Order: sequence, then structure tokens, then C-alpha cells
Amino acid sequence: SQQGEEDPQALSIQEGENATMNCSYKTSINNLQWYRQNSGRGLVHLILIRSNEREKHSGRLRVTLDTSKKSSSLLITASRAADTASYFCATGRETSGSRLTFGEGTQLTVNP
Amino acid sequence: NAGVMQNPRHLVRRRGQEARLRCSPMKGHSHVYWYRQLPEEGLKFMVYLQKENIIDESGMPKERFSAEFPKEGPSILRIQQVVRGDSAAYFCASSPPVGGIDEQYFGPGTRLTVT
Repeated sequence: SQQGEEDPQALSIQEGENATMNCSYKTSINNLQWYRQNSGRGLVHLILIRSNEREKHSGRLRVTLDTSKKSSSLLITASRAADTASYFCATGRETSGSRLTFGEGTQLTVNP
Repeated sequence: NAGVMQNPRHLVRRRGQEARLRCSPMKGHSHVYWYRQLPEEGLKFMVYLQKENIIDESGMPKERFSAEFPKEGPSILRIQQVVRGDSAAYFCASSPPVGGIDEQYFGPGTRLTVT
């Protein structure tokens, strides 16, 4: 399996519910980032969490990082139909230079 | 402050033709990265460039693909003799001179279709 795997692959919820997506990775990292991609569009940066941080908030987004388990979660609270998109985690490592390693993504559908 | 610009947004090429994809980084950014996204997959790193230098091309296929970032003008990703398997979305990202493994700002992508 690859560095940065999201789970689940697809998630369908009702508007107003919370959505939780998980990301696991294999090697040590400097930071982990979450991106959103609407269908057929570019990537929008959501949040970055560094390896020495455990939790970060931004609006309705909450990201946690557990370096001992090599995993991260993205929580979107009070979801909206406009949150429908693919969500990707990406890891950055000093030993990989400046490249980001992306997971395969979670497709979130928020039904009105 | 304009974001990362990519053009064209859509490109259709017949097998055997050349594809040239352009990327203009954000103002003040001197680092450019190219990623490829196959349908239903995540982004895969291809190459990392600074002005007039290729820093890391370990993700780029050895044949037919090349990238440059000249002193003046946009970064160019060039694919020679395209094949159907090259059909994908190609994204460019840029970052400021310091902190490349921090946030990278992505362009809207170029969707290449090889017929």
C-alpha cells in the first residue's frame, strides 16, 4: 500500500451531519496536509499540521495527527452540500525533498 | 495577487504528437512542482524545479517527458510522442523560496486527452 492512504474511499452523509476521514502513512513526516478537490477542478489547500502538533482547527475543520500510529483524521462538522468533493491527505518529508506524497482520496457526498 | 496559472486548461492530442503544458507560479514563488493525476487516483509527484535548475525529477518517466523552468517565463512540461496512457490531469504547484515542504499552491490543472 502507498504512503498516505485515505479511509474510507467513499462516504455519503446527510447535510448537517459530521464527516470523518482518515489517513494513514508509512514513514516519518515533517507535516501532513489536507486538500479538497471538486470534480474536475484543481486542489484547494485546507489545513497543514506539523509533526509536533496533535490537533488543529480551521472553521468547521478539525485535524488530528497521531505520529505514533502514523495516522491523521479530518473532521468536517455540520456538513453542507457544498462540501461534496474529494479529500486528499498529503505528507511532506525532509528526506523526500520538497515533494508531497498524496493518498488516493476520499470521495465525500453530502446529500441535501 | 493571481494564483498559480496553468494553460491550456484542456489539451487534446493525437497519439505521436507533442504536448506542452505551461505553468506560471504565484508572484514571488521560485519553486515549481509538477504532479500527474490519473482518473480516480491521487496526485503523483513528477518533478521539482527552481529557476534554471531541476532539483528532483525522480517521479518523471525517463523517456518522452521533460521539464524546464527558465529564468524568464513559465515552467514547461513537455511530453513527446504522446500515448493514450498519458491522458491525465497535470497539476503544477508553486511555493516560496523557503519552506518547500510546507504549503504548496496548486494551479487548476491541464487535462490532457490523447486520442
